[in-house]
Amino acid sequence: NAGVMQNPRHLVRRRGQEARLRCSPMKGHSHVYWYRQLPEEGLKFMVYLQKENIIDESGMPKERFSAEFPKEGPSILRIQQVVRGDSAAYFCASSPRSGRDTGELFFGEGSRLTVL
Amino acid sequence: DQQVKQNSPSLSVQEGRISILNCDYTNSMFDYFLWYKKYPAEGPTFLISISSIKDKNEDGRFTVFLNKSAKHLSLHIVPSQPGDSAVYFCAASAKDDMRFGAGTRLTVKP
Repeated sequence: NAGVMQNPRHLVRRRGQEARLRCSPMKGHSHVYWYRQLPEEGLKFMVYLQKENIIDESGMPKERFSAEFPKEGPSILRIQQVVRGDSAAYFCASSPRSGRDTGELFFGEGSRLTVL
Repeated sequence: DQQVKQNSPSLSVQEGRISILNCDYTNSMFDYFLWYKKYPAEGPTFLISISSIKDKNEDGRFTVFLNKSAKHLSLHIVPSQPGDSAVYFCAASAKDDMRFGAGTRLTVKP
């Protein structure tokens, strides 16, 4: 019973390139959340998705960032034209229902993005 | 706009003693509170939670206290063990919104 799987664990990009981070939720979970942790800061909510739907993207920067959770396959967080300030750890979490109002989220191990 | 604050970035305690981690929130709509524990290079893992209708929830060595009037919650770990050394995140949720604090790094010395 695999947990939340994120890949790649580490990604290095040069300024202007694109970064794609993938998240496979736990089996049976249909709710996915993306969080960003900047150095010395807490987890900042970015986006909440269900299959094929974006439920809440209020934490997502308006430009360059997008997320999807297709019917088949993992959820993807895409960052276009990366800048140094995008360097952070990006965590994905899943829950079997709308977990944020009832309890725990199950987190992946994170993807650490470094922008040179 | 930090709705959940953990004002102590770090805490160091002796093994066997009590660890008390504090968290304050500003949004009175939050009705569910959680603590997550995070080891280096791993994702956060759920530790304990409390609903706003309660003021205390205990699970083994871990107890969470909620003071709604003060918008304050705390996590007590007793007795503290070296394996408890980690970063602890406080989280608060309201419907579909969950916010995290910046974390407190706990070090338990043998």
